[in-house]
Amino acid sequence: DAGVIQSPRHEVTEMGQEVTLRCKPISGHDYLFWYRQTMMRGLELLIYFNNNVPIDDSGMPEDRFSAKMPNASFSTLKIQPSEPRDSAVYFCASRLSNTEAFFGQGTRLTVV
Amino acid sequence: GNSVTQMEGPVTLSEEAFLTINCTYTATGYPSLFWYVQYPGEGLQLLLKATKADDKGSNKGFEATYRKETTSFHLEKGSVQVSDSAVYFCALWTGGGADGLTFGKGTHLIIQP
Repeated sequence: DAGVIQSPRHEVTEMGQEVTLRCKPISGHDYLFWYRQTMMRGLELLIYFNNNVPIDDSGMPEDRFSAKMPNASFSTLKIQPSEPRDSAVYFCASRLSNTEAFFGQGTRLTVV
Repeated sequence: GNSVTQMEGPVTLSEEAFLTINCTYTATGYPSLFWYVQYPGEGLQLLLKATKADDKGSNKGFEATYRKETTSFHLEKGSVQVSDSAVYFCALWTGGGADGLTFGKGTHLIIQP
């Protein structure tokens, strides 16, 4: 398996623009997680899905953030409108029940 | 709630030095404990794990023992290499599919030749 695949690896956008981050989990995994990593706050869990259903989105910072998982092999994290303070590395991870999580390589987002 | 505290970095060592990165946790129930490693420009990779008290996780020369009495999971390596330079994250998971991992803030390790 190719592991968790995220795209794009890097994204630079202007403030106010919409940004969409993409994730393909490992085939067969039933949990998918979105994390944000910053120097100040470390790794924060934003939202996670079980069997494509959002279970806990309490970590989503604002209504500008939304996440979807239309099927078992694809998820998106959208920021609209983006702001400079959204600049961070966003990680997607997936796992099977009761196993460790596997992380993608992340998307480095820069909002200017 | 759950939390993980680990020593702040950067930690700078010479090659072949002994490494300890401290990690303590607060959790409800009996969590599983993990160390993840992040190499520059990469995602997180699982380094080792322990699922119950007194278990020792080990991989690539690294070890960590689950100490329930001190709520700790310190990472150790007897002789570090330049290639061990990375950011190390201690994490816990209370299981049952209920939560994502709770991470510490990470410790940046720099090994000098």
